[in-house]
Amino acid sequence: DVKVTQSSRYLVKRTGEKVFLECVQDMDHENMFWYRQDPGLGLRLIYFSYDVKMKEKGDIPEGYSVSREKKERFSLILESASTNQTSMYLCASSTPGSSYEQYFGPGTRLTVT
Amino acid sequence: KQEVTQIPAALSVPEGENLVLNCSFTDSAIYNLQWFRQDPGKGLTSLLLIQSSQREQTSGRLNASLDKSSGRSTLYIAASQPGDSATYLCAAVGAQKLVFGQGTRLTINP
Repeated sequence: DVKVTQSSRYLVKRTGEKVFLECVQDMDHENMFWYRQDPGLGLRLIYFSYDVKMKEKGDIPEGYSVSREKKERFSLILESASTNQTSMYLCASSTPGSSYEQYFGPGTRLTVT
Repeated sequence: KQEVTQIPAALSVPEGENLVLNCSFTDSAIYNLQWFRQDPGKGLTSLLLIQSSQREQTSGRLNASLDKSSGRSTLYIAASQPGDSATYLCAAVGAQKLVFGQGTRLTINP
């Protein structure tokens, strides 16, 4: 079974802090994604990566950056956390070999105070 | 731009009933259609994936259909159980990225 893990289930940070969210997948998937999920707004794509060191902006990249130094690991970085970045963050991975079926991690509930 | 809509937003039914969740999408040029389940505060669990060349997929009590020409997919749940209570999301896949619907919050009453 595909396994996608995220570094923290819950995280509380202060405004202005630099925040790192990590995602690791164990199935050698080429594609990895970061979403945020908010009530009433659904899931929105922040960034995705289709190969090591490759990244593309999603629908809401402002205030975020990403890093993919190894195929299995995709990091989301909040350069200077703000209260409007309080949200559920979800990581996912997929591969063309499985028709781009996406597999999700358990999510990180981030609260910025 | 692809838009995905799920109706109804919420559904409450007694245990044992068969039910249908609906998903519609505006751009028929999709690669596949994926259904997910999400429990409160948790991540998404993939239920079924229907490739664009397929009409339906089945897994246990779940059956998902896809009609690209009309831009519709349905998720059929047979003999519903309280453990089926969750939010169900559909997503249209095109050019590697998914576009999600807002979900249907399903409650099965014992």
